[in-house]
Amino acid sequence: QQQVKQSPQSLIVQKGGIPIINCAYENTAFDYFPWYQQFPGKGPALLIAIRPDVSEKKEGRFTISFNKSAKQFSLHIMDSQPGDSATYFCAASQGGSEKLVFGKGTKLTVNP
Amino acid sequence: GAGVSQTPSNKVTEKGKYVELRCDPISGHTALYWYRQSLGQGPEFLIYFQGTGAADDSGLPNDRFFAVRPEGSVSTLKIQRTERGDSAVYLCASKQRHGSYGYTFGSGTRLTVV
Repeated sequence: QQQVKQSPQSLIVQKGGIPIINCAYENTAFDYFPWYQQFPGKGPALLIAIRPDVSEKKEGRFTISFNKSAKQFSLHIMDSQPGDSATYFCAASQGGSEKLVFGKGTKLTVNP
Repeated sequence: GAGVSQTPSNKVTEKGKYVELRCDPISGHTALYWYRQSLGQGPEFLIYFQGTGAADDSGLPNDRFFAVRPEGSVSTLKIQRTERGDSAVYLCASKQRHGSYGYTFGSGTRLTVV
């Protein structure tokens, strides 16, 4: 059973575009929702995270929108650059061990 | 150190052999996690240490997998009688303490079982 469903699987945008990646979760006990960026041969790196008491969080060019009632959250990348080309993972966790449940990832390509 | 260090970066082993994968977390980080990432997938949780003890090992797939962290810093993931299906990237992550913000992942060990 996949607890965090991520879409799309891949995404191609032009430089300056605003890619949007979506995730949906099932477990209402989740209370922490991070996004990770992964480059080939590297481990995932934390980009931005949100807790369910807010509907939006912005850090630099990255914004998370969170819809608690729909159990969905999304990542927006403003003014995307070729250097943003990477695989992006959404994840979720709950209190306790704080282990993360990851989506399957979205491979983003930003063309010059 | 400055980041989470994992060694070796690549390991090729024959089916049935025993392997050990090492993780050096960021100094002072008490929480340590192991994940496994198969090709084209997101990381999957294996085990979580708080200090020296395994606080949650619910992700270990079977009893061929075992991990230790005897002094609360370096951790070793041990896989007995390796199978081709064990081939994956094994990622280690640490964070300062339970409840603190965000993990830092290492670059992983790519394990290939032939």
